[in-house]
Amino acid sequence: AQSVTQLDSHVSVSEGTPVLLRCNYSSSYSPSLFWYVQHPNKGLQLLLKYTSAATLVKGINGFEAEFKKSETSFHLTKPSAHMSDAAEYFCVVSVAANSGYALNFGKGTSLLVTP
Amino acid sequence: EPEVTQTPSHQVTQMGQEVILRCVPISNHLYFYWYRQILGQKVEFLVSFYNNEISEKSEIFDDQFSVERPDGSNFTLKIRSTKLEDSAMYFCASRPQGATEAFFGQGTRLTVV
Repeated sequence: AQSVTQLDSHVSVSEGTPVLLRCNYSSSYSPSLFWYVQHPNKGLQLLLKYTSAATLVKGINGFEAEFKKSETSFHLTKPSAHMSDAAEYFCVVSVAANSGYALNFGKGTSLLVTP
Repeated sequence: EPEVTQTPSHQVTQMGQEVILRCVPISNHLYFYWYRQILGQKVEFLVSFYNNEISEKSEIFDDQFSVERPDGSNFTLKIRSTKLEDSAMYFCASRPQGATEAFFGQGTRLTVV
């Protein structure tokens, strides 16, 4: 079964420093992977997606993620954190096509950005 | 930009009562989903819906739950007899043909008292 593990439940960075949110996946075949962000009292917004094209994926707001098959990882990075990046981040894997591409979520990483 | 809209944003109901959560998916999307997030826990898949029928459902989606697309725009989740443990944020999502990613609404926070 397809699943993801987010390695950190909380990450704290200073404004202007790099962000690294870690995610490992488990899949019996090449997965579709996503990062979603949830700001307080907001819905889930798609940051970026990997669907077996380029392994380095660029998303919105300066975020990017690299798919590493050898490490079964899909870590999310940003060179310089902004205060507005403070939110909950979810690593997500898409389940098989015959199940309608239902999404399997990680437990989430809460990102805190300090001045 | 088109978006998925959910109503109400917050619903309080008494245990045992029926509740209907409403969603308007993005207009040209063909696949519809409900997910829920119990406070402090991960987002969980409930059900997917395509071509006017359920295509997949999780173990959570038991006989107390039902979904319906009563007209060309709305997609509803009904909980027949709510329990305290149904308290959660419920997210509706939709997906266009040919895409793997889903687009989510802002959620309905259901509180069962």
